[in-house]
Amino acid sequence: DGGITQSPKYLFRKEGQNVTLSCEQNLNHDAMYWYRQDPGQGLRLIYYSQIVNDFQKGDIAEGYSVSREKKESFPLTVTSAQKNPTAFYLCASSTINYGYTFGSGTRLTVV
Amino acid sequence: QKEVEQDPGPLSVPEGAIVSLNCTYSNSAFQYFMWYRQYSRKGPELLMYTYSSGNKEDGRFTAQVDKSSKYISLFIRDSQPSDSATYLCAPQETSGSRLTFGEGTQLTVNP
Repeated sequence: DGGITQSPKYLFRKEGQNVTLSCEQNLNHDAMYWYRQDPGQGLRLIYYSQIVNDFQKGDIAEGYSVSREKKESFPLTVTSAQKNPTAFYLCASSTINYGYTFGSGTRLTVV
Repeated sequence: QKEVEQDPGPLSVPEGAIVSLNCTYSNSAFQYFMWYRQYSRKGPELLMYTYSSGNKEDGRFTAQVDKSSKYISLFIRDSQPSDSATYLCAPQETSGSRLTFGEGTQLTVNP
C-alpha cells in the first residue's frame, strides 16, 4: 500500500535534548512538508522540500532542522533551541493535481 | 489578518442534521479549494477537492466556492456520529503549490 509513515507515534524529550522525527513516503511524491499542530492554532508550516537536497523554511522554522537526502525521506530534528516543542507534528507529501497526503502524526512531549 | 479564516467552533448537532462549515479568504489568487477531515489524534485526510467557483457533490458532502465573495462552504447532509471530526479548509493558488490551512472547525454529531 502506498502511503506516508511517521515514527514514532509518541516521543518524549528531556530539556536540552535534540530529537529526530521520521517521515517516509512511498508515493513517489516530489514535495514533502512538516507541520506543527497546537490546540486552537491550526496547522503551522515548519519546513518544506520540493526536490531532493533542497528545502525552505516555513512560518515557524526556528529551533527545527531538516534534511532531504532521498526522495522518500524527510526527517525533522527538534533542537534544544526550540523552547516550546510539545505539540503534534504532521508530515505530508504532495504531487501536482492532488492535495496533500498526511502521515498519522507524532506527538512530542517535553518531560 | 490571516489569509484564511475559519470559525473553530466547537459545533454540536444532532444526528441527521444538515451541517454547514465555512471559511473566508483574502487571497484572490486562490483557485483550488480543498476540505480535509481530521479525526482525533490522526492526520488529516482529503475529503473534497474543487477548482474555481461552483459546487461539487460527493455523496452526503457538497463543497461550494464563491470566488466573488471569497467564501468557501462544506455542507454535510444527514450527518452521522462518524462525521464527528475537525474539518479544515485549505485553498491553493496553483495545482501543486503550498496549501494554506484554516484553523479547523471541530464538529460533534450526537446520536
